This record gives sequence, structure tokens and C-alpha cells, in this order.
Amino acid sequence: AQSVSQHNHHVILSEAASLELGCNYSYGGTVNLFWYVQYPGQHLQLLLKYFSGDPLVKGIKGFEAEFIKSKFSFNLRKPSVQWSDTAEYFCAVNNQGGKLIFGQGTELSVKP
Amino acid sequence: EAGVAQSPRYKIIEKRQSVAFWCNPISGHATLYWYQQILGQGPKLLIQFQNNGVVDDSQLPKDRFSAERLKGVDSTLKIQPAKLEDSAVYLCASSLTRQTNYNDGQFFGPGTRLTVL
Repeated sequence: AQSVSQHNHHVILSEAASLELGCNYSYGGTVNLFWYVQYPGQHLQLLLKYFSGDPLVKGIKGFEAEFIKSKFSFNLRKPSVQWSDTAEYFCAVNNQGGKLIFGQGTELSVKP
Repeated sequence: EAGVAQSPRYKIIEKRQSVAFWCNPISGHATLYWYQQILGQGPKLLIQFQNNGVVDDSQLPKDRFSAERLKGVDSTLKIQPAKLEDSAVYLCASSLTRQTNYNDGQFFGPGTRLTVL
């Protein structure tokens, strides 16, 4: 069955530190990949997405993610985090069947 | 553009009681989804509607959960009777069509936090 695995449950960083959140999926066919973010007290929002083309995609607020097909990975990165990036981050995958499969989430805490 | 609306935001019930959640998707969105998010986990799809028809309900516990979208707009998710393990946040999401879901993702509502005692 299709699944998504996020490597870290909770990440704590200081402001200006670099961020990389891991995401691996298990599915051999064509997939679309997403990162969603949930800020405290807010609903899930789309951060960035990949469906074809350049494997390095850029999203809102300076985030980017790289799709590495050979590694079934879609890691999220940001060169310098801010306190306002404190949130929970979810990686998600869907195939042409349309069902969105989420990872278990990574909680990011940024210390000012 | 108004987002996905859900109500109530919080609900506390005792086990074996029934509960219903309501969702109004973004105007014009044909596809509507209900997810269950248990604490510490990612959202899990319960049911997907395309207009007023069910596309996927393979993970819906049909012995106690039901959902409808009678006029192809708003939707109701019901649990009867509730169990302790149903405590979770119930999220509603919508997308313009199933096709745009592939490329554009889904838009989520604020969720309903259910506590079953």
C-alpha cells in the first residue's frame, strides 16, 4: 500500500538555522507531491507542490523542496528559519487515483 | 475568496452518543473530502465526493460512520454510535475537480475537534 514517511517527529532550531525535513514515499508509479503547513491555531495550508518538470520546486515563505525520484524522496528545505515558521509540516502524495496520503507530520519549533 | 467552512469547531460527547459535522466547501468546488486526523498522525481520508456522488469511501467505517452531500455542495459527516477511538480532528477539504486535485492540492477547513468520553 502507498505510504509516506517523515523522518523527524519534532525538530527544534534556533532562528537563522537551516532546515531540512525528510519525506519518503512508497509508490512506484507517477505521483504528485505536496508539503502542507499548519501554523498554531490555523488550518492546513499548501506550502508547495511538485507534479512534473524541474525537481526543485519553490514555495511560499522561502521554502523549497527537491524531488529525487531514485530515492523516493521529497525533502523540504529552508536556508534560514524564522520564529514564525514554528508549525507542523506534513508531506503528502497522491497518484493518479486521486487519494491524498499524508505522512505523520513533523513539528518544527523555532527558538527566537 | 471564502475558504472551506466547518462547524462546530469543538464537540464533546460520551461514547455511544451520535454526532454530526457540517462542511461547506469553496464555492464552485466539485470535489469534497472528509479526513480524520488522530493526535500525532497525519490526516487520513475517510470519504471523497465528486459533486453528490461517492468516489472513494474505502476507509470509512461504514458500521458507524456515514456521510452525504445531497445537493453537491455542503456535506454532513455523522458518527453513530461514537467510540473512544473516534476522538480526533475531522477535516473537510475541497478541490475544483478531481483533476485539479492532482496538480493544485486541496483546500482545508479549520476542522472539528471531537472528544469522546
